[in-house]
Amino acid sequence: DGGITQSPKYLFRKEGQNVTLSCEQNLNHDAMYWYRQDPGQGLRLIYYSQIVNDFQKGDIAEGYSVSREKKESFPLTVTSAQKNPTAFYLCASSPGRDTQYFGPGTRLTVL
Amino acid sequence: QKEVEQNSGPLSVPEGAIASLNCTYSDRVSQSFFWYRQYSGKSPELIMSIYSNGDKEDGRFTAQLNKASQYVSLLIRDSQPSDSATYLCAVRGGTYKYIFGTGTRLKVLA
Repeated sequence: DGGITQSPKYLFRKEGQNVTLSCEQNLNHDAMYWYRQDPGQGLRLIYYSQIVNDFQKGDIAEGYSVSREKKESFPLTVTSAQKNPTAFYLCASSPGRDTQYFGPGTRLTVL
Repeated sequence: QKEVEQNSGPLSVPEGAIASLNCTYSDRVSQSFFWYRQYSGKSPELIMSIYSNGDKEDGRFTAQLNKASQYVSLLIRDSQPSDSATYLCAVRGGTYKYIFGTGTRLKVLA
């Protein structure tokens, strides 16, 4: 069963905590992306990775960190430095410079 | 000026009518254009991709691209209540980055 999986579906964070969102794909795609979506707004790029062991900051990278140690995995850590992390987080992948496909998303709430 | 602009709507159309969704973009070197449908609380799903000027049809959906006017549109024929969703326009330039519009909310009235 091919596709992109994200876990958990819902995540609650206390003030000052770091949390890590998982993203895994078995589509053999080279590029992977993390977006944040706030209510009534479009998708804003946090980080993206074109190949293993390489990633670039997007438009709103402050307070976030990523790693790309394996082709199929691109975890996102929301650090305590991110002051307003409550949002819907979407992971996507693409086979190079082509269509992006999205995972089901993780909804993060700060308590 | 936003890089990708869409009217936020809501755009209301009666069932069976044609829904027309529009998107303009600012970067002239943009190469690839995508329409995604997003239901409330769900992730975006790809509807159409278009790369060259003209029309591209897939079932009830037609994407139209005019690079000279920096304009891309999505037509939905025979609109159904199940088409009610937010439609996101996305543009990719010469890099791996995709720029998304804020989306147009479509309501199909039964």
